[in-house]
Amino acid sequence: RKEVEQDPGPFNVPEGATVAFNCTYSNSASQSFFWYRQDCRKEPKLLMSVYSSGNEDGRFTAQLNRASQYISLLIRDSKLSDSATYLCVVLDMGRRALTFGSGTRLQVQP
Amino acid sequence: NAGVTQTPKFRVLKTGQSMTLLCAQDMNHEYMYWYRQDPGMGLRLIHYSVGEGTTAKGEVPDGYNVSRLKKQNFLLGLESAAPSQTSVYFCASSYLGLAGVRYNEQFFGPGTRLTVL
Repeated sequence: RKEVEQDPGPFNVPEGATVAFNCTYSNSASQSFFWYRQDCRKEPKLLMSVYSSGNEDGRFTAQLNRASQYISLLIRDSKLSDSATYLCVVLDMGRRALTFGSGTRLQVQP
Repeated sequence: NAGVTQTPKFRVLKTGQSMTLLCAQDMNHEYMYWYRQDPGMGLRLIHYSVGEGTTAKGEVPDGYNVSRLKKQNFLLGLESAAPSQTSVYFCASSYLGLAGVRYNEQFFGPGTRLTVL
């Protein structure tokens, strides 16, 4: 079983739609959580950290459920420029390692 | 600032050849990392460094060696390339690293696309 699992998609949504991605992680010792964005054939870039109480950054909302070991990302009012692959990332301080999910691809259509 | 740069951007090797990938950062970061990314696998950590002169193994270190002789540079070496090492290689750096009280963002280079025939 992968340590961080994501639905690979693709999620095809129209502009203006709301879309949600989930991610599950297997290591209960994981201590920090992030969403990265990766455009086609480019490097990953940090989108946002995920805090226990949930957090928002503009149209993006991240949630963490430690009991069920899953993380979610909600994108409201999708834009064409949101088309990318979204990587769920988990930090295990004990192992000093970031573990990346394989990503969920989003395609926003006009 | 250039951020994190990688050299070369593309390379094709024959099985058994050797090569070195260079990563450079101008942000004075202490921590540097090498990852590989394969289809459907996500990024996997090969080796990392917590400071000049120190290196450590990551998740998939076999077949690779690294060196951090200068703070700004992190080299990844393949001594005898194999087709299984065909991948996209990303270097990253961060300020406090994973052991810091407060996590700091990892900044990635643009990647090196390596094909081993």
